[in-house]
Amino acid sequence: AQKITQTQPGMFVQEKEAVTLDCTYDTSDPSYGLFWYKQPSSGEMIFLIYQGSYDQQNATEGRYSLNFQKARKSANLVISASQLGDSAMYFCAIRTNFGNEKLTFGTGTRLTIIP
Amino acid sequence: DAGITQSPRYKITETGRQVTLMCHQTWSHSYMFWYRQDLGHGLRLIYYSAAADITDKGEVPDGYVVSRSKTENFPLTLESATRSQTSVYFCASTKTTGGIKNIQYFGAGTRLSVL
Repeated sequence: AQKITQTQPGMFVQEKEAVTLDCTYDTSDPSYGLFWYKQPSSGEMIFLIYQGSYDQQNATEGRYSLNFQKARKSANLVISASQLGDSAMYFCAIRTNFGNEKLTFGTGTRLTIIP
Repeated sequence: DAGITQSPRYKITETGRQVTLMCHQTWSHSYMFWYRQDLGHGLRLIYYSAAADITDKGEVPDGYVVSRSKTENFPLTLESATRSQTSVYFCASTKTTGGIKNIQYFGAGTRLSVL
């Protein structure tokens, strides 16, 4: 079985600073994908970024990047130049067993950006 | 592109009643999922479906029933609602975006209260 651990229940960051949200994972499957989702206070789940286990480079998507350290089994989300609109819950998720496409989620980190 | 539509958005019911949450996707994609979100647990998979007439249990299936007679619809039924089923329910379906296969995209959620 796979598992995601997000050890930071909450974080407070000054606006315009960079922020790193931690995510560690556990799986015995050599092929897997890691996802980050954002959930603002309005409640919807928004896909942010994806990293495949065989991808040679760390994923980037605008101000989001993924610090993927395979040997440490970590996939931290980095948000550069944080904005007030980044205040939200952030969930890390893993997908293994390609063919059923199931995601296993962590418990999330609540990020608050301070003006 | 309506994507994924969940209804109702809010529902209040009483213990013992049957409740059906609806999910409709416009992409005609194979995979659909039901998750529940509870404080401290992140999102947990209830049931998923790989195609019409193919469903399988997730992590927390007890007390729930699903069906999928048409590719675009995936209703979730609570046959006899209990207070422990008070939660926010998310439906998801997969879509290939930017070369990444089968990213899960979520509906807006249904907030269910069982009194």
